[in-house]
Amino acid sequence: AQTVTQSQPEMSVQEAETVTLSCTYDTSENNYYLFWYKQPPSRQMILVIRQEAYKQQNATENRFSVNFQKAAKSFSLKISDSQLGDTAMYFCAFRAAGNKLTFGGGTRVLVKP
Amino acid sequence: GAGVSQTPSNKVTEKGKYVELRCDPISGHTALYWYRQSLGQGPEFLIYFQGTGAADDSGLPNDRFFAVRPEGSVSTLKIQRTERGDSAVYLCASSLTSGGSSSTDTQYFGPGTRLTVL
Repeated sequence: AQTVTQSQPEMSVQEAETVTLSCTYDTSENNYYLFWYKQPPSRQMILVIRQEAYKQQNATENRFSVNFQKAAKSFSLKISDSQLGDTAMYFCAFRAAGNKLTFGGGTRVLVKP
Repeated sequence: GAGVSQTPSNKVTEKGKYVELRCDPISGHTALYWYRQSLGQGPEFLIYFQGTGAADDSGLPNDRFFAVRPEGSVSTLKIQRTERGDSAVYLCASSLTSGGSSSTDTQYFGPGTRLTVL
């Protein structure tokens, strides 16, 4: 079974600064996908970024980028130029061939003005 | 276009009652997923539909939980004899396809139904 671990329950960052969220996972699969989802108080999970395990190049989406270290089974998210609207819970998630997502416990990000 | 919608937004029921939670996926999405999110935790997988059939129901906690998707679109999650431990947010997601290609397999979530069992 796959497991996903987010070791930081909460992170604070000043507006316009950078914050990095950690995620590690455990799997015996070779082909899989990794995701970061954002969940604001509205509860709706919003996809932030995804990474295919077979791709060595780290994914980027505007102010969001990942550092994918396959050998270390690490998948961290960097939020650059943090904005007040980035305040939310962030979940790391794993998907292998079975389609279901396995989520970590989440990290609460608070962006301070 | 419209995203995934879920009704009701909130449901309060008494222990032992029966409840139904509805999910309307994105139009044209063939795959539909149910997850349960307890307070302070990440979502946990319950069941996944490909078309009308349940392709993986390994996450259903017991036989009080059942889900259907009779026409391959709308899905209903049914919980019998509710218990206080069933209180959670129930999230539904859909994807265009399933089974391999990352971009079209991406799951898009609805806002969830918060179930409270008194």
